[in-house]
Parts: sequence; structure tokens; C-alpha cells
Amino acid sequence: EDKVVQSPLSLVVHEGDTVTLNCSYEVTNFRSLLWYKQEKKAPTFLFMLTSSGIEKKSGRLSSILDKKELFSILNITATQTGDSAIYLCAVETSGSRLTFGEGTQLTVNP
Amino acid sequence: NAGVMQNPRHLVRRRGQEARLRCSPMKGHSHVYWYRQLPEEGLKFMVYLQKENIIDESGMPKERFSAEFPKEGPSILRIQQVVRGDSAAYFCASSPTFTSSGNTIYFGEGSWLTVV
Repeated sequence: EDKVVQSPLSLVVHEGDTVTLNCSYEVTNFRSLLWYKQEKKAPTFLFMLTSSGIEKKSGRLSSILDKKELFSILNITATQTGDSAIYLCAVETSGSRLTFGEGTQLTVNP
Repeated sequence: NAGVMQNPRHLVRRRGQEARLRCSPMKGHSHVYWYRQLPEEGLKFMVYLQKENIIDESGMPKERFSAEFPKEGPSILRIQQVVRGDSAAYFCASSPTFTSSGNTIYFGEGSWLTVV
């Protein structure tokens, strides 16, 4: 059975801190790994990663994939209160099916 | 460019009634997926559809649940004879033409079903 594990499950930081969220996976027929941000509504797409070692960056967020060690990290620098959300990691396998991790609940305090 | 549109956003049904959830994919997207998020749980795959075809329904409960994506109109997720355990957020997602090297999948805002 495909499995995606995220850590930590929850994290509380102060504004300005840098955070690293982890995602490890065990799946058959890996296609891609996706990160989403969920704030009590639609998961909002952040990144799709398919190749090892290539960092994707968007503003203060960045992510990288290691297909040998089967994990990905999502970094957020200079955190703001608006970054508070659940961050979801999902792995796409054959058939375009996404297997999600349980998410990391990030709380950024002012 | 509108995103994935779902309606209704909130639906309350009594036990035994039917629930119909609708999803219009993003413009230009021909692949639709339904996911369910039970309280305190992660998103779980239910079904993957293309126009007039069910591609993968391995995540659908065997009874009472059905999905369609007709040639014209939105995709519909239908739950017959709802029970309290069906209370959840149902998310629709869509993607453009399928590629084997990874597909960007966008989610709608969800339909929250409450069974009373």
C-alpha cells in the first residue's frame, strides 16, 4: 500500500522564523510529488517536483526532492502569520492518483 | 480564469436522503478527481474520471456512491441513502491533458456534507 508520512504533525513558531517541513514516501510507480497549502478550504497548489536535486522556489517558499532517499522538504523563510495553515504533501502514482500525508499544521505567532 | 468550481459548498441531509455534489473543472481540463476528507483525517482518493469514462474508482465505497462526468455539464458525485459516517468534506480536483511525467492537479474549495 502506498504511504506518505509527514513530520512534524504540528509546529508553532514566531514570525520571522524559518521552518522545514518533511515528507517521506513509499509508493510504487512514482510520478511526482506535490505540496499544497490548506487553510480551511481548497488545498492550494504550491509545487510539483519530479526530478531529484532541483530546487523549486516561489518567494519565501522552496522545495526539493530526493528520489534516492524518498523524501522531500518544504522550506519557508521569514515566516508570517499568513503562512499559518496545514501543509499537505501528496505523491502522484500511476493513474494520476494522489496519496496524501496527514499534513503539518503550522502556526505562526506574531 | 476560474478555478475548479464546486457546489453546493455546504449541504445538510437527513439519514437516508440522497446527496449530489457537482464539480466543474478548470477551463481546458479534461480530467476530474474526487477526494474525501473525513474529520481529523487526510484527503483520500475516491475516483478519477475523464469525459464519459470512469478511469479509476478503486477508492469509492462499493455501495451507495457513484460518480459521472458526462459529455456536457459538470461531474457529479452521488451518495444515496446517506449515513452519519458520510459527513465529510468532498473535494473535486482537475488536471489538463494527462502526462506520464507528472500532472499538476488543482483542487476546488470543497463541498461540506453534514448528515443529521
